[in-house]
Amino acid sequence: DTGVSQNPRHKITKRGQNVTFRCDPISEHNRLYWYRQTLGQGPEFLTYFQNEAQLEKSRLLSDRFSAERPKGSFSTLEIQRTEQGDSAMYLCASSLNSGRGRGNEQFFGPGTRLTVL
Amino acid sequence: AQTVTQSQPEMSVQEAETVTLSCTYDTSENNYYLFWYKQPPSRQMILVIRQEAYKQQNATENRFSVNFQKAAKSFSLKISDSQLGDTAMYFCAFMKEGTYKYIFGTGTRLKVLA
Repeated sequence: DTGVSQNPRHKITKRGQNVTFRCDPISEHNRLYWYRQTLGQGPEFLTYFQNEAQLEKSRLLSDRFSAERPKGSFSTLEIQRTEQGDSAMYLCASSLNSGRGRGNEQFFGPGTRLTVL
Repeated sequence: AQTVTQSQPEMSVQEAETVTLSCTYDTSENNYYLFWYKQPPSRQMILVIRQEAYKQQNATENRFSVNFQKAAKSFSLKISDSQLGDTAMYFCAFMKEGTYKYIFGTGTRLKVLA
C-alpha cells in the first residue's frame, strides 16, 4: 500500500508527558500537512511543509507543539507537556505540488488518536 | 477569514434513493477550490469530488455531483442511487488559490438505510 501512513494509531498518555507522532507521506509527494480533529468538528489546519521547509503554522500550534520533516520525507509532530485539551485525532496529509488542478488534492492518513488523561 | 458551514449535522437516506448535502462558505476571494471529502467510520478521509471556482460547469464523479452556485457561495453534494457503503461523515472544504490548507466545515453524518 503506498498511501499515507501514521504511527501510532492510538496513544494514551498522562497529562504533562511528551508525545511524538510520525507520518510517512506518499513517496513522491513534496507537501505534507498536519491537521487536528476534535470530536464533532472538522479537521483544523496546524502546519504544512514543502519538502523540508515548514512554510506555515497555525495559531493553534502553541509553543508546546513542534513539527519537523527532516530530508523532506517523513514528518514528526511532538507535543510537550500534554494537556487534556490536546486530546484529539491528529491527521497527516500529503500532496504533490503540480500547480492548478489535481495538485491541490490532499491524501489523508488514518490519523493518530491521542487521549490525555 | 474564510468559513465553511454545513448546516445538517445528520441525515439519513434509503438505499437507492438520492440525497443532497448542503454546504455554504464565506470568502472575498475569486479564485479557490471546493472539495467534498468522505470519512467512513474508523477509516481515513478520501476525496469524493472537487470543483474549481473558475469553472462554471458542475463537477460530477459517477453517482456524485455538485451544485456549485458561486454568487450564492453554495456548494451542495448530491448522491444518487445511495449505497450502504456511502454511510460516512462528509466534510465540505475550501482552499484559497495559492494556499495549500483546507478549511473544513463541521461535517454531515450520513446514514444509508437498507
